[in-house]
Amino acid sequence: EPEVTQTPSHQVTQMGQEVILRCVPISNHLYFYWYRQILGQKVEFLVSFYNNEISEKSEIFDDQFSVERPDGSNFTLKIRSTKLEDSAMYFCASTRFRDDGYTFGSGTRLTVV
Amino acid sequence: AQSVTQLGSHVSVSEGALVLLRCNYSSSVPPYLFWYVQYPNQGLQLLLKYTSAATLVKGINGFEAEFKKSETSFHLTKPSAHMSDAAEYFCAVIEGQAGTALIFGKGTTLSVSS
Repeated sequence: EPEVTQTPSHQVTQMGQEVILRCVPISNHLYFYWYRQILGQKVEFLVSFYNNEISEKSEIFDDQFSVERPDGSNFTLKIRSTKLEDSAMYFCASTRFRDDGYTFGSGTRLTVV
Repeated sequence: AQSVTQLGSHVSVSEGALVLLRCNYSSSVPPYLFWYVQYPNQGLQLLLKYTSAATLVKGINGFEAEFKKSETSFHLTKPSAHMSDAAEYFCAVIEGQAGTALIFGKGTTLSVSS
């Protein structure tokens, strides 16, 4: 069964550093998403991406965040200057149809120290 | 604005007992509803979805959910719990075809004892 692949599985970074989280969505999917889950809390929507542009973003997705689809396969989330409160599990998801169930990756655990 | 409310952050059942995880939604238009499961240290796996077809939806691992518009509910059930069902369960909603991205409830932790 097709999978959404995320790398790395765990990243530790110092406060103020830039990080890039990488995702390879399922190849025939058209909509791409980033979510985060702070330990013990709910899964929160960050941003959706369609047709090479952001289609929707949450209040969490401020100027320190950006997304890119640099080629036909990768989808990245960049955090420019990490803060301690950015420590969370970040999930990438994709879907072919907007109102269909999303396929999630296994996540990247980001730890900011 | 759409949202989902999961009643009970923690549910405990005995192996073989009925599992009932509650979810109520709030949406101004017909919603699309989903249940996801998250096992420890893993990603989110789709259990089942309701997208305006049959109101009783069957999913993987013996789970099913019934969409009840009059009660604005989409509760998840399984007739007989297995130890392997212990996990975090999330209800989620998309507000129809013109809706926003998938929005999750706070989750319910299911514990199964022998």
